Amino acid sequence: ETGVTQSPTHLIKTRGQQVTLRCSSQSGHNTVSWYQQALGQGPQFIFQYYREEENGRGNFPPRFSGLQFPNYSSELNVNALELDDSALYLCASSKKDLNTEAFFGQGTRLTVV
Amino acid sequence: SQKIEQNSEALNIQEGKTATLTCNYTNYSPAYLQWYRQDPGRGPVFLLLIRENEKEKRKERLKVTFDTTLKQSLFHITASQPADSATYLCALVRPRRDGGTSYGKLTFGQGTILTVHP
Repeated sequence: ETGVTQSPTHLIKTRGQQVTLRCSSQSGHNTVSWYQQALGQGPQFIFQYYREEENGRGNFPPRFSGLQFPNYSSELNVNALELDDSALYLCASSKKDLNTEAFFGQGTRLTVV
Repeated sequence: SQKIEQNSEALNIQEGKTATLTCNYTNYSPAYLQWYRQDPGRGPVFLLLIRENEKEKRKERLKVTFDTTLKQSLFHITASQPADSATYLCALVRPRRDGGTSYGKLTFGQGTILTVHP
């Protein structure tokens, strides 16, 4: 186990609704990144937070937003859900450093109907 | 933008053989490259990291090579076992103009599903 925990593990939402996914980082890690993984694809970078500030963003619309808290836990919020948002959402924590690996949580499987 | 291609979506080999997975990239040369293992319904698990100035890295039965001229990384699993069956992902980290890296911002390939038959 990596020490990164995500909740919930599974979620079903209706198109147009809003969702909040949560992540607890591994102890000692100050950076958290979120990824979206569609079925059969590799994870796609959504954004990263370092010390409670956004530190880079991938090609995702503004309805994807996030927060990082003083204890380095994090939330991913998605507004106005679309069917294509159905995916596995992964949180990864790391240290702000060169050449360090990312530690992933088990993911949240979001299904939008 | 960076494009990453991993060889064939699925690779089937016999137990005891060496599995070789390929990761090709276009555009910029990454600061470093990582390989992850992902089991169904789980998050990726880090395996190996290789820097742009390194040619080869080993860890137990795993070996990674990095050829910046060919823009390719090869990932080898020797003496493969059925327990090695999983999806393997390569991921690149982009260098920044200030000489640093965009740490944690990984660009992943689509993955290769490896099945090792007993």
